[in-house]
Amino acid sequence: QVQLVESGGGVVQPERSLRLSCAASGFTFSSYVMHWVRQAPGKGLEWVASIWSDGTTVFYADSVRGRFTISRDNAKNTLYLQMNSLRAEDTAVYFCAREIVDTGDFDYWGQGTLVTVSS
Amino acid sequence: QAVLTQPSSLSASPGTSASLTCTLRSGISVGTYSIYWYQQKPGSPPHYLLRYKSDSDKHQGSGVPSRFSGSKDASANAGILLISGLQSEDEADYYCMIWHSSAWVFGGGTKLTVL
Repeated sequence: QVQLVESGGGVVQPERSLRLSCAASGFTFSSYVMHWVRQAPGKGLEWVASIWSDGTTVFYADSVRGRFTISRDNAKNTLYLQMNSLRAEDTAVYFCAREIVDTGDFDYWGQGTLVTVSS
Repeated sequence: QAVLTQPSSLSASPGTSASLTCTLRSGISVGTYSIYWYQQKPGSPPHYLLRYKSDSDKHQGSGVPSRFSGSKDASANAGILLISGLQSEDEADYYCMIWHSSAWVFGGGTKLTVL
């Protein structure tokens, strides 16, 4: 069955870096667009970044562009989010999600990993 | 003004219907967008419900009951998620989403209470 498992979250000081991973299984990872979506405590959903199946095209939310980098390793079935210059407002649960090809339907989501930015 | 606006809360009784709206900002026409709907229960990730652009261009998520349906109100410039035959298990947060200006945009979410 399809599984997405995020890892790498934790407590980090402002201006430091963190890398999140999302391990995928149960489907042909290299065929799917993948996304990162976050949710601050008690708040709504915020899209963070997307990456095409071959990794050649990426999109970022304005709030993270220039600080975060989305990437993937299709040989390892893993999605990444490199987060630099972290701010308090980046504190959130980070979800990875799979998109059904060419539809925009985020049909599977991981359980999320919590990132807390605090001194 | 936010791209997508959803009422923060809505209450409805079991067995009745609930209409959740997602209003697009002035200048953005609902007719040109597919509206995506997600359900999220406490402590769980979002769950994809459906996509609606028109009656001929829509998609129901796998396993999502037919009592969840999408539509649009062009006069209100809004997407609508209709939940009929409300059940206690439908109590959750509901988010709409569109692809706009090379970015995915979520509405602020509606907390649906079934009581």
